[in-house]
Amino acid sequence: NAGVTQTPKFQVLKTGQSMTLQCAQDMNHNSMYWYRQDPGMGLRLIYYSASEGTTDKGEVPNGYNVSRLNKREFSLRLESAAPSQTSVYFCASSVPAYALIAEQYFGPGTRLTVT
Amino acid sequence: SQKIEQNSEALNIQEGKTATLTCNYTNYSPAYLQWYRQDPGRGPVFLLLIRENEKEKRKERLKVTFDTTLKQSLFHITASQPADSATYLCALEGGSQGNLIFGKGTKLSVKP
Repeated sequence: NAGVTQTPKFQVLKTGQSMTLQCAQDMNHNSMYWYRQDPGMGLRLIYYSASEGTTDKGEVPNGYNVSRLNKREFSLRLESAAPSQTSVYFCASSVPAYALIAEQYFGPGTRLTVT
Repeated sequence: SQKIEQNSEALNIQEGKTATLTCNYTNYSPAYLQWYRQDPGRGPVFLLLIRENEKEKRKERLKVTFDTTLKQSLFHITASQPADSATYLCALEGGSQGNLIFGKGTKLSVKP
């Protein structure tokens, strides 16, 4: 099993450009998450999807959109990138929703720089 | 609002000693708490989960305690090794649908 995979690993954007970060998991998990990690701020939840077909806002959703394409894939889109979105982005997944308590499995991250 | 604090940004210890990391929280009563390890340039990796009705949980050289009265969890690594050097994150149940709230982490350095 590959676990959680993310593409791309690195990306440089100019202000105003758009891009989509891709995430896929092969563990048959229902729940998927997008976080950003900034120095001194820790991991902050951007959006999550408790199951296929549902998405909800997390702590810092402004400037982002998500799509839960199917059970395996959860993408994060920046429509008009801003320098404040320079960060490391992590995707995570966790076991089926009926398991009320579950650990999360993280991907390797995407390092995004917006100039 | 919920607040979670890891009391040290960095902790330096000598190989063989026990490392103790602290996680405090306020304005909340989580049903469980988790600890993760994160190496530079990598995503966090789950280590241990402890429920509110459990006082202590062990896994090899790792031990976690959960004191709901003090609103505190302690994470211990016994007989520490340089390979234990990493950032350790605590995370609380976020209240809905398996969400977690993460602390900022403590960077542990174990010197030989």
